[in-house]
Amino acid sequence: DAGVIQSPRHEVTEMGQEVTLRCKPISGHNSLFWYRQTMMRGLELLIYFNNNVPIDDSGMPEDRFSAKMPNASFSTLKIQPSEPRDSAVYFCASNGQPSDTQYFGPGTRLTVL
Amino acid sequence: DQQVKQNSPSLSVQEGRISILNCDYTNSMFDYFLWYKKYPAEGPTFLISISSIKDKNEDGRFTVFLNKSAKHLSLHIVPSQPGDSAVYFCAAQGGSEKLVFGKGTKLTVNP
Repeated sequence: DAGVIQSPRHEVTEMGQEVTLRCKPISGHNSLFWYRQTMMRGLELLIYFNNNVPIDDSGMPEDRFSAKMPNASFSTLKIQPSEPRDSAVYFCASNGQPSDTQYFGPGTRLTVL
Repeated sequence: DQQVKQNSPSLSVQEGRISILNCDYTNSMFDYFLWYKKYPAEGPTFLISISSIKDKNEDGRFTVFLNKSAKHLSLHIVPSQPGDSAVYFCAAQGGSEKLVFGKGTKLTVNP
């Protein structure tokens, strides 16, 4: 089992540029979660999908952030335009049932200069 | 406002001794609690969980205790091993799939 796959693993960009992070959940999992980890705020949920439908996006910081899940095997988190304060590690996680454990990907370390 | 708090950013223990990691929560609606472990450059991995109907759950060297009246849970690792050195996140869940995480405690187990 390949686990949750995220790409890229590292991204360095300049302020103002568009950034797209990608996630492939574990096959058969119905829910997908995007988290952000920073020193100040720890690990916080940005948005989650169930059966490709966004359920709760209350953690998305502002309109510069958007997330999509066009099918059961792919999701993107886009930041446009990016700012230095967006620098963080972004994790994607998935689970099969609401009561199941969430399985995390290895994360994408984003640095915005 | 942090609903899940891990007040100790770091903890250092000797190999073979007990490690106790603490977590406090404020939301009475939380009914399921989890601990995740995270190594550098990896995603968090599930370690152990406990439902609010229990006060203790044990899995090998890992035991989680829940004190609902105090809104407090703790993770005990006995005996601690150098491979346990990692960041430990406490998480809480209630009424939805959302997990609310604490900021983590970095555990260092010295040989």
